Amino acid sequence: GMPVEQNPPALSLYEGADSGLRCNFSTTMKSVQWFQQNHRGRLITLFYLAQGTKENGRLKSTFNSKERYSTLHIKDAQLEDSGTYFCAAEAGTGSNRLTFGKGTKFSLIP
Amino acid sequence: GGIITQTPKFLIGQEGQKLTLKCQQNFNHDTMYWYRQDSGKGLRLIYYSITENDLQKGDLSEGYDASREKKSSFSLTVTSAQKNEMAVFLCASSIRGGSDYTFGSGTRLLVI
Repeated sequence: GMPVEQNPPALSLYEGADSGLRCNFSTTMKSVQWFQQNHRGRLITLFYLAQGTKENGRLKSTFNSKERYSTLHIKDAQLEDSGTYFCAAEAGTGSNRLTFGKGTKFSLIP
Repeated sequence: GGIITQTPKFLIGQEGQKLTLKCQQNFNHDTMYWYRQDSGKGLRLIYYSITENDLQKGDLSEGYDASREKKSSFSLTVTSAQKNEMAVFLCASSIRGGSDYTFGSGTRLLVI
């Protein structure tokens, strides 16, 4: 299967709602990063995790290397959260190369 | 703070043409990358370089060449543009440990 499987492919929420994205990995990964791609196409780093959980404002991410998954939770969804979210994992070969999920397109329901 | 700059922002080429994309960073990052983004397929690694003059193939290197003549710059060449090809090429750089990944704003390619 795909080394990085990201779900859901698309997500629509009402303002103020909470939701989560998940990436499953086919093999043990050394680290994971989450990015948000805005409407202009620029990828912004949200989190880098080698293990555990990190929070930043309304966003929280968890990485469990042993169970081979990572999650990104969005709390109290706002218009500025719109865009496409990608997880990307490093296999630990020492190259720092990332394998990306296919992305989750996030939008706010008007 | 630093910046990573890709040029050009938009590139229109003709079938069979050789096209070069450029990327410059002033973070003093060791590693630089070129990714290709197609709609619905996420990002796929074309080439990367861990230091000046180093070159490593990614998953999608066929049809491309790359060059890392200086630590601060990494260029990508499409050796023969394919008709109707449309994609975004994203350059990134990171420190050796990989935790400080920064992307450029992309070069949008259209081949007519």
